Amino acid sequence: DQQVKQNSPSLSVQEGRISILNCDYTNSMFDYFLWYKKYPAEGPTFLISISSIKDKNEDGRFTVFLNKSAKHLSLHIVPSQPGDSAVYFCAAGSNYKLTFGKGTLLTVNP
Amino acid sequence: DTAVSQTPKYLVTQMGNDKSIKCEQNLGHDTMYWYKQDSKKFLKIMFSYNNKELIINETVPNRFSPKSPDKAHLNLHINSLELGDSAVYFCASSRGGNYNSPLHFGNGTRLTVT
Repeated sequence: DQQVKQNSPSLSVQEGRISILNCDYTNSMFDYFLWYKKYPAEGPTFLISISSIKDKNEDGRFTVFLNKSAKHLSLHIVPSQPGDSAVYFCAAGSNYKLTFGKGTLLTVNP
Repeated sequence: DTAVSQTPKYLVTQMGNDKSIKCEQNLGHDTMYWYKQDSKKFLKIMFSYNNKELIINETVPNRFSPKSPDKAHLNLHINSLELGDSAVYFCASSRGGNYNSPLHFGNGTRLTVT
């Protein structure tokens, strides 16, 4: 039973364009959401988070949008850079427990 | 300075053996975790300790036993290893357990059971 779903296993975009990564969740008890980035042979690193009481959080080139009614969140990266190429994990949490999606491999082409 | 370090990075062993993975964090966090990334790439929580006390114990076989000697360390001992235990195991830490305290992960231990 996947409570956090990332339905696109991969995404390819051109450098300078916008990357949009999507995530859906089913558990309405989740009260915070995060995005992590992972390079090969490394652990995931925190990128950006959002509380369930907000619908948008921005940090530089990264913006996370939360639509609670649709149980959907997305990560926008503008402009995309080749160094952004990595696997992006969506995660949803409540009370010390994070549930991760399967990840989306983003490739940014020069 | 490595914030969350786990050893070894690679572990190859035979079925039936007992092995341990060590984890240490120097971030001053009070909560530590073990996650497992299986062949389907899902990252799933196994255990969580807050101030040395077990607070999350997912449906993990009893062969897996975490040990937290202090707040900075959380080790994972696995008895009677099975083929299905092959995975990448990630240690992580955080200050508390909400969105203001994201997890900091180690680089993982790739366990291969033959």
